[in-house]
Order: sequence, then structure tokens, then C-alpha cells
Amino acid sequence: DTGVSQNPRHKITKRGQNVTFRCDPISEHNRLYWYRQTLGQGPEFLTYFQNEAQLEKSRLLSDRFSAERPKGSFSTLEIQRTEQGDSAMYLCASSLPPRTSGRRNEQFFGPGTRLTVL
Amino acid sequence: AQSVTQLDSQVPVFEEAPVELRCNYSSSVSVYLFWYVQYPNQGLQLLLKYLSGSTLVKGINGFEAEFNKSQTSFHLRKPSVHISDTAEYFCAVSSNFGNEKLTFGTGTRLTIIP
Repeated sequence: DTGVSQNPRHKITKRGQNVTFRCDPISEHNRLYWYRQTLGQGPEFLTYFQNEAQLEKSRLLSDRFSAERPKGSFSTLEIQRTEQGDSAMYLCASSLPPRTSGRRNEQFFGPGTRLTVL
Repeated sequence: AQSVTQLDSQVPVFEEAPVELRCNYSSSVSVYLFWYVQYPNQGLQLLLKYLSGSTLVKGINGFEAEFNKSQTSFHLRKPSVHISDTAEYFCAVSSNFGNEKLTFGTGTRLTIIP
């Protein structure tokens, strides 16, 4: 169990540029979540994958945001035409299928990607 | 829809003193409850969870929490804190069906005073 990894850890970009973040979940986890955390707030749900299928998207996820999980392994989150309001920590989490004994509903979080939009 | 309220944004506590971090939730369906800890510049780590059964849940690092359905609360406690407990603590709730996404509170910053 090597944990959830995210790259890059930090990203500074200028307003209007596109950015892409990557998340590598724990290998046997079929569920993958993206959350966004702004300063002084708790994480907020953005989107959810079960295997390669994106099953839910939050209203927070505007049309400038797109997420993919090809082949049900790693996932990418792209933000197009970044705005200063996009500055936040983007967290990825993964979990085992439901009803898996012992670790039910435990989401394992990566260290996050901190985005700063200038 | 679910929501979580953490009334205390900051809690200072002397080292070796007990602490309680409060969490209240609201939901129209049955829920699972969680406490996560976030150390500086790190991701979230699960402290403990309540899924069903005994309402007193024990977690890592000496923390425990009690689920109170009538008061819709899930307060976190530790009888004696250490400097290493300085961190941000988040209470979270999820439904017990569907995608089980987490809804977090705004967090409580626990500061241990030597």
C-alpha cells in the first residue's frame, strides 16, 4: 500500500492558462473522488469515479473543469482558462468497493495539489 | 442533502489536558460519520469512523468519539493531549448508500499549549 499520490504538489499559473493535475489512487481501489479545499474551509466534493465511469459531478464543477479516469486507474483534473477564484488545494481520495469488510467507506486521501492563480 | 457544523474554529488546550471537539450534523437519510485530521502541508488522515453498532468509537492516537442520534452529534474527545496533536480536525458525514461522498465541516484548529 503505497498510498494515494498527486502531482504536482504545487502549481502557480497566470489567469487564463490551463492546468492539469494527476492523481494515482491505491491500486485495488475502484472508487476515486476529487475534492477542493479553500483556505479556512473543509474539503468540498467535486466529482466521483467508479472504475472509469464518472458517476457524479458537483455544481461546483463548472464547464471549465473536466476530469477523466481512463482505464479506471489514474485520474486527471483539468482546469481551462483559470481564474483567481480557482486558487485552492485540490485533493484526491480513493476507496475500496462498498461492503468490503474491514475498510468500508474509508477514503484515503493524497497530499493534494495546491493551485495558485495569479 | 447533508451538512456538518463544527462550532469551534479554534480550540487552545494545555498539554496533557483533556479536549472535546464538537460536531453536529443534519441529514434526511441514515449516515456514516467520520473524523479526519490534517497536519500542516499534508493530506487528510482518518482518525475514526462510525458506521453502525456501538455508539462509542475508538480511533488512532488515543482519540474517541460518541455518536448521539437524538442530538445529531459526533463529538471527538481525548483525555490527555500532546504537542503532536496540533492540527486541523474535520468532521464529515456521508450517506450509507450511493457514491458515499463526504460532506465536511469547516474544521477546528487544535493548538496545544506547552
